[in-house]
Amino acid sequence: QSVLTQPPSVSAAPGQKVTISCSGSSSNIGNNYVSWYQHLPGTAPKLLIFENDKRPSGIPDRFSGSKSGTSATLGITGLQTGDEADYYCGAWDRGLSGAVFGGGTKVTVL
Amino acid sequence: QLMESGGGLVQPGGSLRLSCAASGFTFSSYEMNWVRQAPGKGLEWVSYISNSGNSMYYADPVKGRFAISRDNARNSLFLTMNSLRAEDTAIYYCARDGQTSHYMDVWGKGTTVIVSS
Repeated sequence: QSVLTQPPSVSAAPGQKVTISCSGSSSNIGNNYVSWYQHLPGTAPKLLIFENDKRPSGIPDRFSGSKSGTSATLGITGLQTGDEADYYCGAWDRGLSGAVFGGGTKVTVL
Repeated sequence: QLMESGGGLVQPGGSLRLSCAASGFTFSSYEMNWVRQAPGKGLEWVSYISNSGNSMYYADPVKGRFAISRDNARNSLFLTMNSLRAEDTAIYYCARDGQTSHYMDVWGKGTTVIVSS
């Protein structure tokens, strides 16, 4: 079981919006930044969001992040077929002295 | 860029040393990580090393068996894996830590480790 909890899957039609939740504790999300990653099988994971809500250069503003307490959310608007991938949240855990990830959420574009 | 190498097929109880070659940035300025993905599973953080190499952390499943190290003069990161188990079978990625906080902003394409007899 993963330290951070994500739903296994979400889906929506092209052009619609999806949100992915990530739940943790005071050891990780509650007192540290959250990051989000997109991962297609066989490729390198890609950083989408860092420090809760910041986008690296080159990441479109269709991707957004937020955090409240011990939970975080990734939003994807204007869903495209190319967005079909696995999405992971991550954070540093002070108790474990290490990084932790969610179990991953598979996004399906209907 | 980051490029991993050194993966392969190894018997249970065996050892393997993974390498990660960094280019395009000042390697010695960045903390680094190893992350793995077992077949059908999600991402799992394995280990972290500070930019100087003086501080290391490990995930519980690999503590005492894996060792992370780096050679800043050669822009290289390593993961020495001993007493390998079937559950260590995974794609291993090296990932650069963010400069302002802990996130992973540059990833390699991974190298595959298979532990099987």
